[in-house]
Amino acid sequence: SQTIHQWPATLVQPVGSPLSLECTVEGTSNPNLYWYRQAAGRGLQLLFYSVGIGQISSEVPQNLSASRPQDRQFILSSKKLLLSDSGFYLCAWSIGTGDSYTFGSGTRLTVV
Amino acid sequence: AQSVAQPEDQVNVAEGNPLTVKCTYSVSGNPYLFWYVQYPNRGLQFLLKYITGDNVVKGSYGFEAEFNKSQTSFHLKKPSALVSDSALYFCAVRHPFNTDKLIFGTGTRLQVFP
Repeated sequence: SQTIHQWPATLVQPVGSPLSLECTVEGTSNPNLYWYRQAAGRGLQLLFYSVGIGQISSEVPQNLSASRPQDRQFILSSKKLLLSDSGFYLCAWSIGTGDSYTFGSGTRLTVV
Repeated sequence: AQSVAQPEDQVNVAEGNPLTVKCTYSVSGNPYLFWYVQYPNRGLQFLLKYITGDNVVKGSYGFEAEFNKSQTSFHLKKPSALVSDSALYFCAVRHPFNTDKLIFGTGTRLQVFP
């Protein structure tokens, strides 16, 4: 069966420090992969999505970047965190037909 | 612009009463519509989806939703609410042109009181 792993679950980082959040998917090949951010426990904002290795689409300008070094691995990064980067980050995957999306359990990032 | 709206920030309902969480959409073509639920500090869980076929779709935990094309709505319903249904509910629509993307509403917090 397909599963999605996201870690860490919580993270507290100082302003100006780097960030690396990892998401991996098991049990499927060539998934579409997504990073969403949820601020203040409400709306979801699509940050990045990827339809294949090395293919990254950015939805909003920001302090973050994403990479897909392997088919089932999606990484969210920052060189220097800002206070405004705090939030709940969700990874998700779907198959290309777009009728089924599965979310990871999320990472709560607090920048202090 | 393609969008989905959830007009209520919060819905309060007494346990045992029916509940409705509203969602309207604005997209071109035939929409793929979804409902997800989020419990505190957790990821989103899939409830149900409409792609084609019967306008009423049944999902997890006794929820159902009705697709109404004329009103461009996809309201989530349950005949008898449980306290454990209290959570944040998101309506979403697949982007009609860039089908790799899912557009979410802002979420509605459902509070069921005992």
